[in-house]
Amino acid sequence: EVQLVESGGGLVKPGGSLRLSCAASGFTFSNAWMSWVRQAPGKGLEWVGRIKSKTDGGTTDYAAPVKGRFTISRDDSKNTLYLQMNSLKTEDTAVYYCTTGYGDVDYWGQGTLVTVSS
Amino acid sequence: QSALTQPRSVSGSPGQSVTISCTGTSSDVGGYNYVSWYQQHPGKAPKLMIYDVSKRPSGVPDRFSGSKSGNTASLTISGLQAEDEADYYCCSYAGSYKRFGGGTKLTVL
Repeated sequence: EVQLVESGGGLVKPGGSLRLSCAASGFTFSNAWMSWVRQAPGKGLEWVGRIKSKTDGGTTDYAAPVKGRFTISRDDSKNTLYLQMNSLKTEDTAVYYCTTGYGDVDYWGQGTLVTVSS
Repeated sequence: QSALTQPRSVSGSPGQSVTISCTGTSSDVGGYNYVSWYQQHPGKAPKLMIYDVSKRPSGVPDRFSGSKSGNTASLTISGLQAEDEADYYCCSYAGSYKRFGGGTKLTVL
């Protein structure tokens, strides 16, 4: 059974940093392209960024609002995806989901809440 | 990178059909046949309902169908059922990133 379990969310002050983790199991993590998607309270889904598998270059892409502040990385030995978030703003407050899939295969974690507030 | 345009809400009675539109540009919806649709119930993670414009994952009822014309994609739900009441989001590949729609709340009257 595929499982994606996010952790690391919490309350942080504006300008602060936080690192989210996503522990994956039930599939070959090293072959997967992994993404982060967020959802502000009462709002819609927003694509945050993606990291390709190492065999496909391991490169990352980011949405404009987070580019230069957020960094996605992966540790294939631990089957874990990371999202390093720096210079956090109040508008980054959201549930952050880890997701992967291709075609008709699509998996999401349960999400972890990040609240940026003074 | 603004959101794709969806109606904020649609409604229909049980047994009826509804269509949700998703309008983008030639750089996303119109440029690729990689539009997907997600259903999200309150407090739950999104669920994939349609991928590659019109394909259904196994387990998704054939009451759900997708299409695209130019820069606008559409999700049609026929034979509405109470459990279809949810938020629906379109999502399009846009080159090096993906773009979601703003979401549509479907109410089953």
